[in-house]
Amino acid sequence: DAEITQSPRHKITETGRQVTLACHQTWNHNNMFWYRQDLGHGLRLIHYSYGVQDTNKGEVSDGYSVSRSNTEDLPLTLESAASSQTSVYFCASSEVGLLTPDTQYFGPGTRLTVL
Amino acid sequence: QKEVEQDPGPLSVPEGAIVSLNCTYSNSAFQYFMWYRQYSRKGPELLMYTYSSGNKEDGRFTAQVDKSSKYISLFIRDSQPSDSATYLCAMTRRDTDKLIFGTGTRLQVFP
Repeated sequence: DAEITQSPRHKITETGRQVTLACHQTWNHNNMFWYRQDLGHGLRLIHYSYGVQDTNKGEVSDGYSVSRSNTEDLPLTLESAASSQTSVYFCASSEVGLLTPDTQYFGPGTRLTVL
Repeated sequence: QKEVEQDPGPLSVPEGAIVSLNCTYSNSAFQYFMWYRQYSRKGPELLMYTYSSGNKEDGRFTAQVDKSSKYISLFIRDSQPSDSATYLCAMTRRDTDKLIFGTGTRLQVFP
């Protein structure tokens, strides 16, 4: 069955370290998204990609970067982790529907703690 | 002001109750309205979506959109303990794939 996976599921790191969160989908979807979820804020879009070599900034992109070298993967990098980036991170993928809105399929999430 | 407002709850109801979950929004350009369900420590999953105004029913779930009031609702009939989760509303325009989410309402259905 097609799926979307994230790794690691839990990560503890220190302030200033570089961290990369992996996202892998097997649906062959063109669209991929990274969100963070925090109490009181819901899901906020960090970065998104509409295809290989395409990346775009979302609502809360400062301090994060992504690269898309193939269809299946969109890794999220925190260049220099800060305590404010402690959060749960979700990756999602979708395929645009012509007559219906694209359904975003979410991964299980990565819980990141920055000490 | 947030584009989408949603009461975070928690909402606690007995099994069998009718549950009403709501969101308000400010952007009149939104055309698609969705409800996602998120179980604890899991990713959100799409429950239902509606286009423009009107009602849509799927089993025990009914989604309602009132564009004139910028108000959407999700009704759950005969609620079950397995419905205990956080429900997030989301909305988007037709010309974009970006979703704007509400903060989510945590629902607990007790036996």
